Amino acid sequence: SYELTQPPSVSVSPGQTARITCSADALPKQYAYWYQQKPGQAPVLVIYKDSERPSGIPERFSGSSSGTTVTLTISGVQAEDEADYSCQSADSSGTYPIFGGGTKLTVL
Amino acid sequence: QVQLQESGPGLVKPSETLSLTCAVSGYSISIGYYWGWIRQPPGKGLEWIGSIYHSGSTYYNPSLKSRVTISVDTSKNQFSLKLSSVTAADTAVYYCARYYYGSGSHLYYFDYWGQGTLVTVSS
Repeated sequence: SYELTQPPSVSVSPGQTARITCSADALPKQYAYWYQQKPGQAPVLVIYKDSERPSGIPERFSGSSSGTTVTLTISGVQAEDEADYSCQSADSSGTYPIFGGGTKLTVL
Repeated sequence: QVQLQESGPGLVKPSETLSLTCAVSGYSISIGYYWGWIRQPPGKGLEWIGSIYHSGSTYYNPSLKSRVTISVDTSKNQFSLKLSSVTAADTAVYYCARYYYGSGSHLYYFDYWGQGTLVTVSS
């Protein structure tokens, strides 16, 4: 198995761009997924397959991948985007999902 | 719309067994998909506990494997978690979720989640 590493926190002002990274420490690399979690709520999928956005997720949410690092980008951050964001991937078989440690996004 | 709902005791004594059930509505477990348990200790990140296929095949997090049992009851459209010999470190919000396993597309993610239930381990 391998690990996914995220920064513990990211802070941005409203209207700015937030970037949250998720780095894998080994290959093979599967697709990455991003979940948004607000206090007291269940996680919600905001990006799948590295960069695809589920229906209903605002266009300001986007994802990208480079090597073993994936990045969640939130353009034009709004106060409602303040939440914890966790990346998730899986082992080579897909049967063992792996989560990153989560990043708390603070909107200043 | 697929909905999941966790249920079970909110307080478990150390060394005892934690038992939770996840009731699924809006989708028949017997059709397919993997169904999983994930937990989140207070102030910490998400941790996958294990998953079960509708046929009963199970996959467990190696770090918890010796203490975890996940089972499925297709007649009741629910699946369950048992975690034995609990300690304070097992205090967490426990979520059940549906796991999309797309072996052909290499897509593996949780698409529907329950609201979660807090389980505290304390005497």
